Amino acid sequence: QVQLQESGPGLVKPSQTLSLTCTVSGGSVRGDTYYWSWIRQPAGKGLEWIGRIHAGGSTDYNPSLKSRVTISVDTSKNQVSLRLGSVTAADTAVYFCAKLWFGGNWFDPWGQGTLVTVSS
Amino acid sequence: QSALTQPASESGSPGQAITISCTGTSSDVGSYELVSWYQQHPGKAPKLLIYEDNKRPSGVSNRFSGSKSGNTASLTISGLQAEDEADYYCCSYAGRNTFLFGTGTKVTVL
Repeated sequence: QVQLQESGPGLVKPSQTLSLTCTVSGGSVRGDTYYWSWIRQPAGKGLEWIGRIHAGGSTDYNPSLKSRVTISVDTSKNQVSLRLGSVTAADTAVYFCAKLWFGGNWFDPWGQGTLVTVSS
Repeated sequence: QSALTQPASESGSPGQAITISCTGTSSDVGSYELVSWYQQHPGKAPKLLIYEDNKRPSGVSNRFSGSKSGNTASLTISGLQAEDEADYYCCSYAGRNTFLFGTGTKVTVL
């Protein structure tokens, strides 16, 4: 059974770059039938899709974040990474990684999420 | 792109049925059979309940069902139970390889 675990700094200073890693266990990041996605949720608010990556390297991003986001994959480490630049307090949120099934486009499973606070 | 619209809250007594709506546009919900629904308990990750508008993954109770009409998708919870008290989110493919989530609905079991 595939499990996802997010990790990274819990505190990032304004204007700096947020960097998170999603480690996939129980399965491979490689596959033709799925992508890997990042989704975030500010405290008390709804979910926001950030972007997705296929193991082959193709990416798609939320247009509202596209200029600041980079998602990458390391197949040797079975990891997916997120970088979000020029962060502000508005980027404070719990960040989730999730497996995105191609075709049907549903997210399952999800990691437990990691809280990132943007503050000086 | 704006979030899909859901009611902020819904409630029902144990055993009753409730329906949560998810309204989008002809560019997202109305264009694709790609609406999914998620349940999220406080402090937990979302859990998939429904995919492709009305399909239920194995292991999800048949008390949860999905449907769609035009630009509005719906999630019905029948035989409401205390454990169903949670937040619920819809999600739709929105074209151009992007996705939109709903605003979320808090379900209270009275």
